[in-house]
Amino acid sequence: GAVVSQHPSRVICKSGTSVKIECRSLDFQATTMFWYRQFPKQSLMLMATSNEGSKATYEQGVEKDKFLINHASLTLSTLTVTSAHPEDSSFYICSARESPGSMKPLHFGNGTRLTVT
Amino acid sequence: DQQVKQNSPSLSVQEGRISILNCDYTNSMFDYFLWYKKYPAEGPTFLISISSIKDKNEDGRFTVFLNKSAKHLSLHIVPSQPGDSAVYFCAASPPSGNTPLVFGKGTRLSVIA
Repeated sequence: GAVVSQHPSRVICKSGTSVKIECRSLDFQATTMFWYRQFPKQSLMLMATSNEGSKATYEQGVEKDKFLINHASLTLSTLTVTSAHPEDSSFYICSARESPGSMKPLHFGNGTRLTVT
Repeated sequence: DQQVKQNSPSLSVQEGRISILNCDYTNSMFDYFLWYKKYPAEGPTFLISISSIKDKNEDGRFTVFLNKSAKHLSLHIVPSQPGDSAVYFCAASPPSGNTPLVFGKGTRLSVIA
């Protein structure tokens, strides 16, 4: 089945540094990938929609200059948390759908636990 | 305004009995519904889905029921097993196909041996 690989699974960084998270679709091409964030005991919150070859679409309240998204190829999207602060500590999850426009489920990566100290 | 609601944050069920997880939605444009299961520190995994043209979809121990007039769907797990203990998210999709899913807040299921 379709697999989405996310790396790293865990990262600890110091306040003020930047962290890059990669999301790859391993056996399918994804023109669109989605980035979610999950706080403890809360739902998945959509941060942005990443479109291959164009700018990402950010949800209301998500700072695009802080959460930089690059979708340079049909199999790779990256999320960079710039100048990270402790409040950015969270669980970040990417997802992609095998065929755009079709009724197929999203496949999720295993998430990245970010801890900013 | 929450378009997908899971009003029960948690549910405990005895092993072997039926687990019923409920989900309500407000947007009548949604035409595809999914259930995801999530273990701690892992990404959600797809469980089962249903198109709005159906009212039931079954896959092994998992059955999803859709009541469009009530804008309600439910996931039945029978028999429940301890390994089913996880957080279950209900999700809905509008017709355009490549738009993001709208998720409920999840229900934590605990299956007690």
